[in-house]
Amino acid sequence: GAVVSQHPSRVICKSGTSVKIECRSLDFQATTMFWYRQFPKQSLMLMATSNEGSKATYEQGVEKDKFLINHASLTLSTLTVTSAHPEDSSFYICSARATLAGKKETQYFGPGTRLLVL
Amino acid sequence: GENVEQHPSTLSVQEGDSAVIKCTYSDSASNYFPWYKQELGKGPQLIIDIRSNVGEKKDQRIAVTLNKTAKHFSLHITETQPEDSAVYFCAATFGNSGNTPLVFGKGTRLSVIA
Repeated sequence: GAVVSQHPSRVICKSGTSVKIECRSLDFQATTMFWYRQFPKQSLMLMATSNEGSKATYEQGVEKDKFLINHASLTLSTLTVTSAHPEDSSFYICSARATLAGKKETQYFGPGTRLLVL
Repeated sequence: GENVEQHPSTLSVQEGDSAVIKCTYSDSASNYFPWYKQELGKGPQLIIDIRSNVGEKKDQRIAVTLNKTAKHFSLHITETQPEDSAVYFCAATFGNSGNTPLVFGKGTRLSVIA
């Protein structure tokens, strides 16, 4: 149990285009999902907290108009990188927090999406 | 804000030896401490976690210890195998609302030499 999927696994796009990444919790409901970015040989950097049915909370320095987050259901959150530029190239990882009683803190990660902007 | 320090940043051990990774946290209210293993090109996988009401937890070759007074927790891997080679991240959080994000350490790159 507690499987999180991401789609696509990797994407290459031209500079100026937008890319949407989907994050799904497959066998549990998640009222809260998180989006991270990871550069090579570095730790995970939290970008935003996505809450089902409400606006996402962005970390300092993360542009909310550039990284659009939608959490329309208890099993799906999407991250759209708008007007992507080469510096947005990175590994984007989502995670979902289980809502089971006594397990609320447990956070499960997706497999990540490798974005390359040319 | 909460901070998590992780050491060492790299660790090489011979196959069969033990590996220990240590983390310290700054917020005494932290009450949940997971460890993740990340292989190249993949997302982090939860391998073990411990909550603040427990001092030690073990799962086969993996164990985690927690010292709340000193605000540090450690990952112990015994009888290491080449497939244990990966980057390991510790993390900490506090509260039980479900909205509090994890704070991660910077990671430890473990290499198990056959």
